[in-house]
Amino acid sequence: QSALTQPPSASGSPGQSVTISCTGTSSDVGGYDFVSWYQQHPGKAPKLLIYEVRKRPSGVPDRFSGSKSANTASLAVSGLQAEDEADYYCYSYAGSNKFVFGTGTKVTVL
Amino acid sequence: EVQLVESGGGLVQPGGSLRLSCTASGFTFSSYWMHWVRQAPGKGLVWVSRINRDGFSIGYADSVKGRFTISRDSAKNTLYLQMNSLRTEDTALYYCARDIGTAESGLLYWGQGILVTVSS
Repeated sequence: QSALTQPPSASGSPGQSVTISCTGTSSDVGGYDFVSWYQQHPGKAPKLLIYEVRKRPSGVPDRFSGSKSANTASLAVSGLQAEDEADYYCYSYAGSNKFVFGTGTKVTVL
Repeated sequence: EVQLVESGGGLVQPGGSLRLSCTASGFTFSSYWMHWVRQAPGKGLVWVSRINRDGFSIGYADSVKGRFTISRDSAKNTLYLQMNSLRTEDTALYYCARDIGTAESGLLYWGQGILVTVSS
């Protein structure tokens, strides 16, 4: 039950785009369309941004989008804003009633 | 408004036990799968456990299996996590979370977390 692999950091200037990858295996990311993404600001609880690979909950801006190819899922943030500076985590169902989070990516808005 | 409020955390010695509670309101508790997620200080999120609507389908992370027990009481709208044989590496902020409505799809609502410190 190893954590999914994310880059430790990513950055972009306001208005630019940033993409975060999340690499797992055929037993988790590649095996199910149950990948979700979370945003966490310091001292706050995580917030769901994307579920089932590419769906957005009500209230999440369409600047956030998700995709998946084989064992790698991705979160794209377009039109970067100062409030997007946060930690981002992917999360996947891993079968047999288990789940796994990614290692987390700190996004900095330059 | 959906609310999840954790309680029961605190300082415990290695080898000790603690029971966390998560009181839910603002939704029909018995209709949703519930999870516990933890975050060690300065570290990432780690999934701990999940329980289905009626309490008969349960999953645990390998790191806590055999030591932690998840349960729920729909009459009290409360989720529990009984933690035994605690280790220093169990020190973390523990969140309870509710799924979005489909069992494996994602965690839509989160509590604010409760701190568990395992130290001598």
